[in-house]
This record gives sequence, C-alpha cells and structure tokens, in this order.
Amino acid sequence: DAGVIQSPRHEVTEMGQEVTLRCKPISGHNSLFWYRQTMMRGLELLIYFNNNVPIDDSGMPEDRFSAKMPNASFSTLKIQPSEPRDSAVYFCASSLEIGTGWTGELFFGEGSRLTVL
Amino acid sequence: QKEVEQNSGPLSVPEGAIASLNCTYSDRGSQSFFWYRQYSGKSPELIMSIYSNGDKEDGRFTAQLNKASQYVSLLIRDSQPSDSATYLCAVNEEGSGYSTLTFGKGTMLLVSP
Repeated sequence: DAGVIQSPRHEVTEMGQEVTLRCKPISGHNSLFWYRQTMMRGLELLIYFNNNVPIDDSGMPEDRFSAKMPNASFSTLKIQPSEPRDSAVYFCASSLEIGTGWTGELFFGEGSRLTVL
Repeated sequence: QKEVEQNSGPLSVPEGAIASLNCTYSDRGSQSFFWYRQYSGKSPELIMSIYSNGDKEDGRFTAQLNKASQYVSLLIRDSQPSDSATYLCAVNEEGSGYSTLTFGKGTMLLVSP
C-alpha cells in the first residue's frame, strides 16, 4: 500500500520566492496534518485538517503561510514570500480518526527539506 | 501552550543494556501518550502507546505512565545498535471534538556494539 506521498523531497530557493509543498495522504484517512521540524524547535504542528476542513491552524507562523486541502487526496502548504528562517523539514501526516477512539497513530510522509538562501 | 519535555541526549548505552528514556508533560488533563521513533533522515513512526497508569510491554519495549507525576518513560531492554535513533514523546491534545499530537523535541539514543 502506498504511504503518504510528499513532493518535492528537497527544495532550495532564494529568499522572497514562493514555495509550494504537496501531500497525498493515505487513501481512506480523514485527518491530515502539516508539521515542521527543526533542531531548535522540534516537531511543530502547523495545521490540521479533518474531512478536508481546516480545524486548527493556530500553529501557522504568520500570514506568509497558507494551506489548502481541496479534496481528500491532496493538500498543499504554501509559503510566500519565503525567508531563511523557514528552512526546515516539512512533514505531512495522515490518520484515520474515529470519534473519540483515535489511536494516535500518525502516518508520516518522507518529508520535504526546504532550504531558503 | 502545552509542553512536552525530553532530554535531548544523546543517551549512550552499550549493546544489551537497558535504555531508559523519559518525558514530562505540562497538561494534567492529557489522557493519551505515545512514543515515536525517528531514524536519522527519516520520518517518525509510532512504536508504543499508553493510556493508563502503570506499565505496558511490547516485546523489548515497555512504556510507563504516571499521571500524578505527569511523567512517561520508555524502556528498551537488550538494546541493539539498530535501536539507535531519536525517540519522540507525544501527548494527545484534545480540542473541541478533535485531537492532535504535541511532540517533545526528542532524545537521541546511541547503542554501541
């Protein structure tokens, strides 16, 4: 079975450029998460979608960041304009959440390593 | 902001020894706790979950939970070099009808042959 698929795996861009990261969750999963990982801050939740609807975007750093989930099989995270401090590994994860019986298991993609020069 | 604290390590143990990884959390209302393993350059993967006070064993892994002390630990018996990785403690954060995970920064474990 295909896992969570992210693209691109690596992105090097210059400050001020627009960056778009893409994610295809596991088929049948109804929850999608975007996390950012750095050495300094660890793994931070940016935004959480349930059934394609953004539920919690309190972790989105600022207006330069936006995320969409137009359908159950695709999500994007966009940074415009990008800054050097945005350099990190961005993980997309999906999960099957069933009411209050959530197992807590997130299935992570391989991540997109972003470097902003 | 709910917090999950872990020593960054590295924790170095010889092969065959017991590795003990610790985690504390700030939200006394948290109910579900998880350990994820992340190999260098890879993504995290779930290895253990625990919901009740006490111990939960799965093979060489034992998770321990003490809600009164807001403390979670992971013991790895008979440590192997292949256990060398960063171990992330995660706590379920429940909002209004939804759940997300808050992660600690992780403890790096190094198992030497």
